[in-house]
Amino acid sequence: SQELEQSPQSLIVQEGKNLTINCTSSKTLYGLYWYKQKYGEGLIFLMMLQKGGEEKSHEKITAKLDEKKQQSSLHITASQPSHAGIYLCGADRGVPNTDKLIFGTGTRLQVFP
Amino acid sequence: AAGVIQSPRHLIKEKRETATLKCYPIPRHDTVYWYQQGPGQDPQFLISFYEKMQSDKGSIPDRFSAQQFSDYHSELNMSSLELGDSALYFCASSYSRLQETQYFGPGTRLLVL
Repeated sequence: SQELEQSPQSLIVQEGKNLTINCTSSKTLYGLYWYKQKYGEGLIFLMMLQKGGEEKSHEKITAKLDEKKQQSSLHITASQPSHAGIYLCGADRGVPNTDKLIFGTGTRLQVFP
Repeated sequence: AAGVIQSPRHLIKEKRETATLKCYPIPRHDTVYWYQQGPGQDPQFLISFYEKMQSDKGSIPDRFSAQQFSDYHSELNMSSLELGDSALYFCASSYSRLQETQYFGPGTRLLVL
């Protein structure tokens, strides 16, 4: 089973609308990363959250990590076509000497004019 | 700002051939990670290197090997290629390891015929 679940799997919104993507883990997250991927291209780093209750914003994107550090949300305000892509959450389990990030299933976002 | 460089960007090989993928990390980053992303899948961690030594190992087949060189660039060597090896291969780098943000390259798309 997938360790990180993202919802929704896909999202189609009209330009200017707000939207939220969720990332849920059954285990405590030590580091939660949000990336954006254009189809077939590299992952672009958006934000990293480490502390329970932490919230970060960059331009029109806000990411939050809940107090229990098991769920994160990514909120986009006044979406634009440039926001379209696949959003992936990645988690660091904090296991000693483990480098790997575990990724969620991804959320495909389409924004139409 | 300089990003992670990967070469080649696209590669077509036949079954049982070998392939070498190269990764040049962001300057001053000493940790390199390799991920494999199959079609419609999330990235899966293969292997990582810190200061030219293997630091973590994931689901990397025995047919694959990798190393990090003195200039911190890394190469992923893939032998006896199989159809199932067709995927997008990402390299990421970070400044030191463990809970440091991993910055991804654009990926190498490998197609095995």
